[in-house]
Amino acid sequence: QLQLQESGPGLVKPSETLSLTCTVSGGSISRSSYYWAWIRQPPGKGLEWIGNIYYSGSTYYNPSLKSRVTMSVDTSKNHFSLKLNSVIAADTAAYYCARRVPSTATFDIWGQGTVVTVSS
Amino acid sequence: QSALTQPASVSGSPGQSITISCTGTSSDVGGYNYVSWYQQHPGKAPKLMIYGVTNRPSGVSNRFSGSKSGNTASLTISGLQAEDEADYYCSSYTSGSTWVFGGGTKLTVL
Repeated sequence: QLQLQESGPGLVKPSETLSLTCTVSGGSISRSSYYWAWIRQPPGKGLEWIGNIYYSGSTYYNPSLKSRVTMSVDTSKNHFSLKLNSVIAADTAAYYCARRVPSTATFDIWGQGTVVTVSS
Repeated sequence: QSALTQPASVSGSPGQSITISCTGTSSDVGGYNYVSWYQQHPGKAPKLMIYGVTNRPSGVSNRFSGSKSGNTASLTISGLQAEDEADYYCSSYTSGSTWVFGGGTKLTVL
């Protein structure tokens, strides 16, 4: 049973960089045709797609966040990561990692999510 | 990219059926059969309920069904149960090779 688990600091200061990792267990991040995604949800609000990454490193980002987002993958550790720089209070959210199925363009497995607060 | 449009709330009594709409454009919902629906209970991660407009993942009750007409997709839940009370989100692939979600609909089971 494939599982995803987010990890990283729960508190980030304004203007600094938010860094999160998603560890994949129960399957290899590279032995498949799946993409891996980050999605966030501000408190009391809806979901926002941040971006996708393939195990080869190819990425697709939300245009509204593209200038501040970097995603990477480490196949040796079976995890992928998100960096969001120059954070502001509006970046406070629950951040989810998920698996994206290429043939159906859907996110079928999600991590439990991790809450990140931007505050000084 | 603008969020897909969903009603803020819907409600129904146990046993009844409800439908949640999700309206986009020809660049997303109307242009691709890549609409998905997610259920989210408070404090939990979203759960995939429908993919590819009409398909149910293994383990999802057949009380959940999806459809699409033009730029509007719909999720129908029949035989409402108390456990169905949750937030529901639609999403779609877009012509910009990105994904967009709806604003979410809170389902209340009366």
